[in-house]
Amino acid sequence: DADVTQTPRNRITKTGKRIMLECSQTKGHDRMYWYRQDPGLGLRLIYYSFDVKDINKGEISDGYSVSRQAQAKFSLSLESAIPNQTALYFCATSIGFGGPLGAEQFFGPGTRLTVL
Amino acid sequence: DQQVKQNSPSLRVQEGRISILNCDYTNSMFDYFLWYKKYPAEGPTFLISISSIKDKNEDGRFTVFLNKSAKHLSLHIVPSQPGDSAVYFCAARNSGGSNYKLTFGKGTLLTVNP
Repeated sequence: DADVTQTPRNRITKTGKRIMLECSQTKGHDRMYWYRQDPGLGLRLIYYSFDVKDINKGEISDGYSVSRQAQAKFSLSLESAIPNQTALYFCATSIGFGGPLGAEQFFGPGTRLTVL
Repeated sequence: DQQVKQNSPSLRVQEGRISILNCDYTNSMFDYFLWYKKYPAEGPTFLISISSIKDKNEDGRFTVFLNKSAKHLSLHIVPSQPGDSAVYFCAARNSGGSNYKLTFGKGTLLTVNP
């Protein structure tokens, strides 16, 4: 079974709709992240959470919100989707300390979101 | 302000030859550098990393070189195989405070021709 899972894997929605992307992990990691990937722009950080009570904005958080329901679950919401939020979304996890082990992030398979 | 730059969007190499992927950075606070590989319809997977206090790390066919004075790192794949065809992302971790976030480059699409 995958350590980091994302649902749904694909979603098509309309402008103005609210949508939630979900991420679950069985790795026991404290830290979770949401990224989006756009062609030619690489991976950009939307939000990150160091534990259940700690939520932080990334570089492109406008138009998004998150919820850390438990150590293992981190959801990303688009309150009112717009077409330029069409992208590939990835959830990731990491151990919560420094050193080489803390550097590596483990990614889910991604959610392809299309906003019409 | 792009702190991690991969200036080559794509690279094409013949099977058996060496692939060299390059990455430049601007932030002196980066303490670890990582390479991720991404196949279509999958999430990025960790490939190899290097500490900022090292200049080389090797794992099988993959070697990462770090030149701190030039703020440059490179990933060498020898010999290249068709299965290596993927997008490769360079990433760097900021050691400032307790942040430990990763900053990613835009990626380089490697195509290895049989």
